[in-house]
Amino acid sequence: DAGITQSPRHKVTETGTPVTLRCHQTENHRYMYWYRQDPGHGLRLIHYSYGVKDTDKGEVSDGYSVSRSKTEDFLLTLESATSSQTSVYFCAISGTERNTEAFFGQGTRLTVV
Amino acid sequence: AQSVTQPDIHITVSEGASLELRCNYSYGATPYLFWYVQSPGQGLQLLLKYFSGDTLVQGIKGFEAEFKRSQSSFNLRKPSVHWSDAAEYFCAVVRGRGGSYIPTFGRGTSLIVHP
Repeated sequence: DAGITQSPRHKVTETGTPVTLRCHQTENHRYMYWYRQDPGHGLRLIHYSYGVKDTDKGEVSDGYSVSRSKTEDFLLTLESATSSQTSVYFCAISGTERNTEAFFGQGTRLTVV
Repeated sequence: AQSVTQPDIHITVSEGASLELRCNYSYGATPYLFWYVQSPGQGLQLLLKYFSGDTLVQGIKGFEAEFKRSQSSFNLRKPSVHWSDAAEYFCAVVRGRGGSYIPTFGRGTSLIVHP
């Protein structure tokens, strides 16, 4: 299995509080992604990174920010959590070639109450 | 814009029956196509991929998929389904964006296997 660790695995938080999810890889892959998975929507891209300090927005980036200060770590922050951000969050990594697959973490189940 | 469509939200089959999960894509150039499987509570695992060459590709767990450019399709098949195949299946295409490669996923098809 690819070395990807997401933390925490489960979190319950209150509306309006900040939340940070962490993705750590040991594969030295260039690309890292954050997706959210919701019933009926599949996986939707929040943000991605193509290198240290290089990030860009995905299709559902509103309310989220990211940072990548080291190759191995990609942080997703909800500045002020809302109930609509209750979801399962997946981190994924991939190499530099377009035909390489993405490897996924185990996911973080976030509940905003 | 590039997109992936999985027209079936749920598919129910009996154990031992054949399976076909549909995937259609829209993309102007040669697509890079993938199928992933997600077991409950788990992340996604690659089943197979296609980017060039033989249009019939073999994957893990006895799955195969056929790329048909004329139909913009990349359907997943298995000749005989096992109960352990019950899972969520995602088709994906990798698109280029400003020099980066972004996996874009369909909404998924949930496979239910009856004994």
